[in-house]
Amino acid sequence: EVQLVESGGGLVKPGGSLTLSCAASGFSFPTYTMDWVRQAPGKGLEWVSSISGGHTYIYYADSVKGRFTVHRDNANNVLYLQMNNLRAEDTAVYYCAKPSAIDELNFDYWGRGTLVTVSS
Amino acid sequence: DIVLTQSPATLSLSPGETTTLSCRASQSGSISLAWYQQKPGQAPRLLMYDASKRATGIPARFSGSGSGTDFTLTISGLEPEDFAIYYCQHRVNWPRYTFGQGTKLEMK
Repeated sequence: EVQLVESGGGLVKPGGSLTLSCAASGFSFPTYTMDWVRQAPGKGLEWVSSISGGHTYIYYADSVKGRFTVHRDNANNVLYLQMNNLRAEDTAVYYCAKPSAIDELNFDYWGRGTLVTVSS
Repeated sequence: DIVLTQSPATLSLSPGETTTLSCRASQSGSISLAWYQQKPGQAPRLLMYDASKRATGIPARFSGSGSGTDFTLTISGLEPEDFAIYYCQHRVNWPRYTFGQGTKLEMK
């Protein structure tokens, strides 16, 4: 059974940093692209970042480019999102999501999310 | 970029009714559209992909259709557990994933 479990969320001041983790199990983690998607309170879904299995391809939304860094530890099946220079508008639940194996055009598995609150 | 607009924003219906949710793309393209269901405090769940294919474990009362710029999700005979927010999504603007703003299906 595929499981994705996020951790690392919390309250941080504007300009601060935080690193999120996503522990994956139940599938061959190193062979899959993984993504982060976020959802501000009461708002819709926003894609944040993708990283391919072998780190070859890394992409970011314009809203986080230059401030967030995605990386992964394939030996331990963990996905990370390092977030620097956080802003109030980064406040959201951050989900780890696995794109579908067929074509990576949608997400077939999601974690339960971890809440990041940026506030002074 | 191709933007997705969902309508209506909110639907108030009763169990047993049938409903159709709309997702319209701002321009035509080779869109492989997905639909998700999200309940309060939960992660989204994939319902449909390629516009009309049900994801694993999704009941047959959910069906999807559409092409070009107009896509629909139909729920035939609403069950109490179907009241949730529904999002459509595509990845035409590679590498970004684009979501609609959601339709909230609430119980009357």
